[in-house]
Amino acid sequence: RKEVEQDPGPFNVPEGATVAFNCTYSNSASQSFFWYRQDCRKEPKLLMSVYSSGNEDGRFTAQLNRASQYISLLIRDSKLSDSATYLCVVINSGGSNYKLTFGKGTLLTVNP
Amino acid sequence: EAGVAQSPRYKIIEKRQSVAFWCNPISGHATLYWYQQILGQGPKLLIQFQNNGVVDDSQLPKDRFSAERLKGVDSTLKIQPAKLEDSAVYLCASRSSSTLLAGGLTDTQYFGPGTRLTVL
Repeated sequence: RKEVEQDPGPFNVPEGATVAFNCTYSNSASQSFFWYRQDCRKEPKLLMSVYSSGNEDGRFTAQLNRASQYISLLIRDSKLSDSATYLCVVINSGGSNYKLTFGKGTLLTVNP
Repeated sequence: EAGVAQSPRYKIIEKRQSVAFWCNPISGHATLYWYQQILGQGPKLLIQFQNNGVVDDSQLPKDRFSAERLKGVDSTLKIQPAKLEDSAVYLCASRSSSTLLAGGLTDTQYFGPGTRLTVL
């Protein structure tokens, strides 16, 4: 089983749609979780952290289920500018080792 | 605050040639990472430095890849000799454990723009 697995995508949705991305991770001891966004031919950038209680940032909602080792990202009222690849990231740390493991990414295209 | 700098941005070489990439992290960031991102994949960690020491190089193909961060600031990643399957974007990232953003986020990495390597 891969360390981090995401929906393979791609997702093509119309403007205004709600879209959800799912991610699972294999290491139950993983401590922190993030969603990154990567635009075409650009570097990944942090979108938001994922907290056990769930967290929201505008149109974006992230959820974590530690028991199921499952992470999700929900985008409401999608905009053309949301078109990008969304990367699920899992952190394992100990001492000075702080390691990010990335999923393969899910490509989202929002159409007018 | 200046971001992570990388050079060159693009490199085309023939297989069996050597190539080197350079990274200058954000000032004061002790941790530096090199990632390889093959088209259609997420970034894969190659090596992590804490200051000038290697913390994790378990996924670095040591028969052909090497990296150093001699003074604990900038870093170079070398491939010698290159293979076709090394074609990828090589991303450098740095992290400060005390990073605190407006949204209360901590422990985040900042990526450089990457070097796109094509091996022919």
